[in-house]
Formats: sequence, C-alpha cells, structure tokens
Amino acid sequence: DVKVTQSSRYLVKRTGEKVFLECVQDMDHENMFWYRQDPGLGLRLIYFSYDVKMKEKGDIPEGYSVSREKKERFSLILESASTNQTSMYLCASSYPPGDEQYFGPGTRLTVT
Amino acid sequence: DAKTTQPNSMESNEEEPVHLPCNHSTISGTDYIHWYRQLPSQGPEYVIHGLTSNVNNRMASLAIAEDRKSSTLILHRATLRDAAVYYCILRPSGNTPLVFGKGTRLSVIA
Repeated sequence: DVKVTQSSRYLVKRTGEKVFLECVQDMDHENMFWYRQDPGLGLRLIYFSYDVKMKEKGDIPEGYSVSREKKERFSLILESASTNQTSMYLCASSYPPGDEQYFGPGTRLTVT
Repeated sequence: DAKTTQPNSMESNEEEPVHLPCNHSTISGTDYIHWYRQLPSQGPEYVIHGLTSNVNNRMASLAIAEDRKSSTLILHRATLRDAAVYYCILRPSGNTPLVFGKGTRLSVIA
C-alpha cells in the first residue's frame, strides 16, 4: 500500500514562528503536492514539485515556501506564521501524469 | 481551469444505489474526469477516472455522457462508510495537478 505520512496530526504555533511541515512518501513518486483546506473554501493548491529540487507555485503560494532535497520528502515552510495560516494542511504524491494522487492524513495547524 | 458543478449535498439510504452528478459543460477534448472522495477526518482518496468511455472499478462506476458535458459517479450499493464529500475534477492531459472544487456531501441513512 502507498503510504504518505505527515510529521504531525496537530500542531500549535505562535505568530511569527517559523514552521516546518514534513511529508514523506514511500512509493518513489516523482510528483508531490501541498494543499490547505478551509471550511467553505475547499482544498487549495499551495505548491507542487515534479522532481527533486524542483518546485512550482500553486494557486496560493504567498507566505509559504517549499523544499525538496530528496525524492521521498517534501517540506512546507511557513517563514513567519500568521493567524490566517491556521488551517488543515494536506500533502499528496503521485506518479506522472498524476492519475491517482495519494494523500496523507493531514496536519491541523493552529497559529495563535 | 475548466469548471465543474455538483450539488452541495445528497442523501441516500443504505444498500441502495447512489448516482452523484457532475456538470462540466466547458470540458475540453483532452480533459480527464476524476472523482475523489474525502471521508471525515481523512485526506481525499482516489475513486475513479475516465476520458470518454464508461469505467468500472471495485469502488464505483463512472458514466460519461456522449457529449462529455456531464458525468455520473455510481455507487452500486451505498454503505454507511460511503458517507463522504465527493469531488468531481477535470484534469488536463499531461502531468498536471488536481484542482478541487467544493464537492457533494453524501449522507447515508441506515
């Protein structure tokens, strides 16, 4: 079974902190994605990557950056967390062309 | 991105078939139709996808209209575990990410 794991299920951080959300997949997938999910807004794509050291902006990249140093790991970085980044963050991976995306369980981040 | 329109919510009785509709009148010839679902407190999971022909797998069937302007996800026998938000997504050919809409919240009544 494909497994996508995220470093934490729940995380509480203070405004201004630097936050790292880690995602690891065990299926040698080239593609990896970060989404956030908010009530009434659905899932929105933040960043994605098609290969190591590659990254592409999604629909809402402002306030975020990403790192992909190894194929299996894709990190989402909040340089200076703000309260409007309180959300559920979901990581996903897939083989090209991306017919089946596999999602992790999500990290619920609260910024106070 | 091509848009999809789904009802906000639907209800079904347990052990009955469920037909979840999706309209996509602006679909282009190379857009694939994908369905995902999200169970409570979980990430989305892949259900099925197709291009022109109807598709079946162990989870569901996908019926695609001849003009491809609409499609229907069919759950042949709903169970309580099928209660979820179902997303209909158009994905252009090539290695492109999924863009999710609001989906349909399916409730299953025992």
